[in-house]
Amino acid sequence: EAGVAQSPRYKIIEKRQSVAFWCNPISGHATLYWYQQILGQGPKLLIQFQNNGVVDDSQLPKDRFSAERLKGVDSTLKIQPAKLEDSAVYLCASPPSGGNTGELFFGEGSRLTVL
Amino acid sequence: GENVEQHPSTLSVQEGDSAVIKCTYSDSASNYFPWYKQELGKRPQLIIDIRSNVGEKKDQRIAVTLNKTAKHFSLHITETQPEDSAVYFCAASNAGNQFYFGTGTSLTVIP
Repeated sequence: EAGVAQSPRYKIIEKRQSVAFWCNPISGHATLYWYQQILGQGPKLLIQFQNNGVVDDSQLPKDRFSAERLKGVDSTLKIQPAKLEDSAVYLCASPPSGGNTGELFFGEGSRLTVL
Repeated sequence: GENVEQHPSTLSVQEGDSAVIKCTYSDSASNYFPWYKQELGKRPQLIIDIRSNVGEKKDQRIAVTLNKTAKHFSLHITETQPEDSAVYFCAASNAGNQFYFGTGTSLTVIP
């Protein structure tokens, strides 16, 4: 079974520039999450999708962050304009479909450095 | 929303000793409590989990205990080995599949 795919693995940008991250979850997984992990901290949920609908985006800084999952499969997370404090690893994850609660499968993450 | 607190933030033990990491949660609706291990530069990976209808679960050198009344759960690693050195995260999840993570414990096992 293929894992959660993310790209790019690394990105360096200057503040006020924009960046986009892509995620393709495990095939058949309806739920998809984007987490932000700042160095030395635990993953913080940014947004949760169920198919192509948003379940929870209460912690997404909507003035600069946006995410979409138009066809209910892969997803894109965008930051525009980036700030220094956005430097973090952006993790995409999906749990098994078909029931509540179960192991979260994480991608390798996209490490963003904002200069 | 759920608030998960984790202690200690750093832990050093001698090889062969035991390590204990503790977490508390706030939402009584949380019913699934996984523990993840994250090595430097790698993704978090599940090492053990427990559901709210169980008080304890063990897998070889790793065990997790859950006290629903007190809303706390703990990870126990016995006979620690250098390869156990990593950052460990606890998490709490509810029926909505929303996962909330603790702040992490950096474990160092000294040979």
